[in-house]
Amino acid sequence: NAGVTQTPKFQVLKTGQSMTLQCAQDMNHNSMYWYRQDPGMGLRLIYYSASEGTTDKGEVPNGYNVSRLNKREFSLRLESAAPSQTSVYFCASSQVVSPLHFGNGTRLTVT
Amino acid sequence: GQQLNQSPQSMFIQEGEDVSMNCTSSSIFNTWLWYKQDPGEGPVLLIALYKAGELTSNGRLTAQFGITRKDSFLNISASIPSDVGIYFCAGSANFGNEKLTFGTGTRLTIIP
Repeated sequence: NAGVTQTPKFQVLKTGQSMTLQCAQDMNHNSMYWYRQDPGMGLRLIYYSASEGTTDKGEVPNGYNVSRLNKREFSLRLESAAPSQTSVYFCASSQVVSPLHFGNGTRLTVT
Repeated sequence: GQQLNQSPQSMFIQEGEDVSMNCTSSSIFNTWLWYKQDPGEGPVLLIALYKAGELTSNGRLTAQFGITRKDSFLNISASIPSDVGIYFCAGSANFGNEKLTFGTGTRLTIIP
């Protein structure tokens, strides 16, 4: 009963380094999402994938890329990390019009 | 993007007290959701509302979808220590999640 699993839980990067955040869900959901959470702000959508094979930009996509590898997995890549990308990143999944199920987050610090 | 104001930002209450928080939108929503986030974890859905005027309960929690479609309220009765956390509202003009807007959260602390 894992639900939505994110790895890693914590990561520290230097400016300019790249990394990929991994997300997998075992609920057979069609849609998957990546959000970032910053202090004093609500969750903001970075990218989403309405179904396997499709991805679309959310509210704050700049500096990120995504890959919907299969129905279960949706990864988020930072090609050249910047301090402004220091945040907590949440992956979520859902069926088309049902509420989101969130993972436990990846806390990323970029120095 | 859409504006969603959540208040209060924080609350300090004693165990057993009732809690009220609300969210208001600058535009009409057709979906209101309430989530709770515990430290180090992701938000967990508490209540989902899909109809103006709807009043829905989940144990000691009750949420309402405002008649104007621009606001929603969450009440917690007889608070207990495990109610501590951050409560988020979220709303959408359609029924899909890709346009969901989140509030900035209400941090609930229980004073011993």
